[in-house]
Amino acid sequence: AQRVTQPEKLLSVFKGAPVELKCNYSYSGSPELFWYVQYSRQRLQLLLRHISRESIKGFTADLNKGETSFHLKKPFAQEEDSAMYYCALSFTGGGNKLTFGTGTQLKVEL
Amino acid sequence: KAGVTQTPRYLIKTRGQQVTLSCSPISGHRSVSWYQQTPGQGLQFLFEYFSETQRNKGNFPGRFSGRQFSNSRSEMNVSTLELGDSALYLCASSLEGRSHGYTFGSGTRLTVV
Repeated sequence: AQRVTQPEKLLSVFKGAPVELKCNYSYSGSPELFWYVQYSRQRLQLLLRHISRESIKGFTADLNKGETSFHLKKPFAQEEDSAMYYCALSFTGGGNKLTFGTGTQLKVEL
Repeated sequence: KAGVTQTPRYLIKTRGQQVTLSCSPISGHRSVSWYQQTPGQGLQFLFEYFSETQRNKGNFPGRFSGRQFSNSRSEMNVSTLELGDSALYLCASSLEGRSHGYTFGSGTRLTVV
């Protein structure tokens, strides 16, 4: 079965410091991976997809198939980055079903 | 372009009752998925519908059911409510193809007393 692991429930960094939110997955096939973000009192929204290889709000994520990881990175954290971040995976034969990790709460302190 | 709309936003029900939640997807999205979100379990997949057919089902009891209409709108129903069903129920719609990702609604907050 597919599984997504986010080892940190809470990550606290200072403003201007680099951020790395970890995501590891287990899936023997070719995954599609996503990062979703939920700001306080807002709906869950797509942050980025690995297939598009884009940078959104300064965040990037690289799929490392050897390490089965899809860590989310940003070189300089901003206060507005404070939110809950979820890593998610879709798999072949699963339709559009996404399997989510348990999420990491990012807190950016001044 | 209107987003994913879920109604109602809040519900309070008594144990043993049943409830129906509604979701209107983004126009053109034929895939609709439902998730249960709780502090303890996180985001748990309920089911996915595509073109009025259930394509995937999560590990929930048969009390949880859903359907999709020809206009892609979807409903989910929970019968014989239990206290543990209290949660935020999220609907998400998507274009076909697993690389697109979801657009989520704001959710329906269900409280069972």
